[in-house]
Amino acid sequence: QLQLQESGPGLVKPSETLSLTCSVSGGSIRSDSYYWGWIRQPPGKGLESIGNIYYSGSTYYTPSLKSRVTMTVDTSKNQFSLTLTSVTAADTAAYYCAGINYYSYGMDVWGPGTTVTVSS
Amino acid sequence: EIVLTQSPGTLSLSPGERATLSCRASPSVSSNYLAWYQQKFGQAPRLLIYGASSRATGIPDRFSGSVSETDFTLTITRLEPEDFAVYYCQQCEISPGTFGQGTRVEIK
Repeated sequence: QLQLQESGPGLVKPSETLSLTCSVSGGSIRSDSYYWGWIRQPPGKGLESIGNIYYSGSTYYTPSLKSRVTMTVDTSKNQFSLTLTSVTAADTAAYYCAGINYYSYGMDVWGPGTTVTVSS
Repeated sequence: EIVLTQSPGTLSLSPGERATLSCRASPSVSSNYLAWYQQKFGQAPRLLIYGASSRATGIPDRFSGSVSETDFTLTITRLEPEDFAVYYCQQCEISPGTFGQGTRVEIK
């Protein structure tokens, strides 16, 4: 059964770079059935898509974050990663990684999420 | 960008009642790319419905989805105590996708 797990620092200073990794287990990141995404949720607010990545490395970023976001995939480690530069308090959120099923176009597998706080 | 507008913001109902949640897409989105998620406090979202009307694996049949032009509906026929949560619609026709702002279903 496919499982995802986010990892990374829980505290980042303003103006610095947030880096998170999502480890895929129970299946291959090179799956023909899934592509991968990052979603975030500020405290008490709704869900926001950050971007999608295919195992080929193709990416799609949400326009409001595009200038600060980079997503990569490491097939040797079965992981994909998120980098967000020049963070501010507005980037404080729970960050989730998810698998998007090619056949249903639904995010049917999620990591438990990791909370990132931007503060000095 | 496709904007999804959910209504109402909050729905106050009693267990056993019927819940009807709406999601309007502007511009329109193909029903193939519209999903519904349930999120409980402190948990990751869970996929309920994909393709506007297909239930995900393990989802009880009291959950159903439907579509009429640009309006999508999630219906919970008889609310169980575990159904009180926040519900989001999401489109992935235009990557990386967008979510509606959510509807909270609370106990009356």
